[in-house]
Amino acid sequence: NAGVTQTPKFRVLKTGQSMTLLCAQDMNHEYMYWYRQDPGMGLRLIHYSVGEGTTAKGEVPDGYNVSRLKKQNFLLGLESAAPSQTSVYFCASRNARGAGNQPQHFGDGTRLSIL
Amino acid sequence: DAKTTQPNSMESNEEEPVHLPCNHSTISGTDYIHWYRQLPSQGPEYVIHGLTSNVNNRMASLAIAEDRKSSTLILHRATLRDAAVYYCILSPPPQYSGTYKYIFGTGTRLKVLA
Repeated sequence: NAGVTQTPKFRVLKTGQSMTLLCAQDMNHEYMYWYRQDPGMGLRLIHYSVGEGTTAKGEVPDGYNVSRLKKQNFLLGLESAAPSQTSVYFCASRNARGAGNQPQHFGDGTRLSIL
Repeated sequence: DAKTTQPNSMESNEEEPVHLPCNHSTISGTDYIHWYRQLPSQGPEYVIHGLTSNVNNRMASLAIAEDRKSSTLILHRATLRDAAVYYCILSPPPQYSGTYKYIFGTGTRLKVLA
C-alpha cells in the first residue's frame, strides 16, 4: 500500500532555480493538498485541489504554482526559488465523500534547501 | 478561523496513561476536531477525530467537553513509540472552497520516559 508518495525526498537548489515537486496518491482521492512546515511550526497550507483540473490558493501561496492534470497527481512548482522557501513540504489527500470527518493522508515529505 | 492552543511539551512514563489537552474556545458548531501525530522525519499520521461525542479507537480516546471549547486526547498506555508531536486540528466546513481545510497549531511534543 503506497498511499501518498512524494518525490524527491531531498533537494538542494540555488536561489533563482526552478523545480517541481511531485505528489502521487493511489487511493483515488478527489482532494489533494500541499503544505509547508518550517522548524518548530505546524503545517501551513500552500495550495489545494478539489478535483482534476482544479486548484485553489491556501494560506501561503505566493511563490508557488500547482497543477492537477491527473487525478492521482498534484504538482508543486517553484519558478524562482528563494531562501525563504527552504522548508519541508508535505502533500496530503482525502476522500471527497462525507463531511469534515474524512482524514487527510500525508506523504513523508520533501526536504528542500535553497542556498 | 478558530484556533487551537496546546502545551508546547509534556512528559509521560512508559505504560502510563497520557492526557493531552487542547483548547479551542472559538470553535464553531460545525467544526470537526481532529488529532494527528508526527513522528520525526515523517508526515502527520491520523489518530482520531470527533464532533460532539467522545470517541474511541484502537489508538486512542478523544474526550470532548460539553461546550466543545476544549478536548483531550487520551493515550491509555504510553509506549516509547508514542513519542511524537501531537496536533489538535479544527476542520471547519467549506464556505467557498468545497473542501475541509485543516488549521494546524504548533502541537504538543510528547516525551515518553522508559
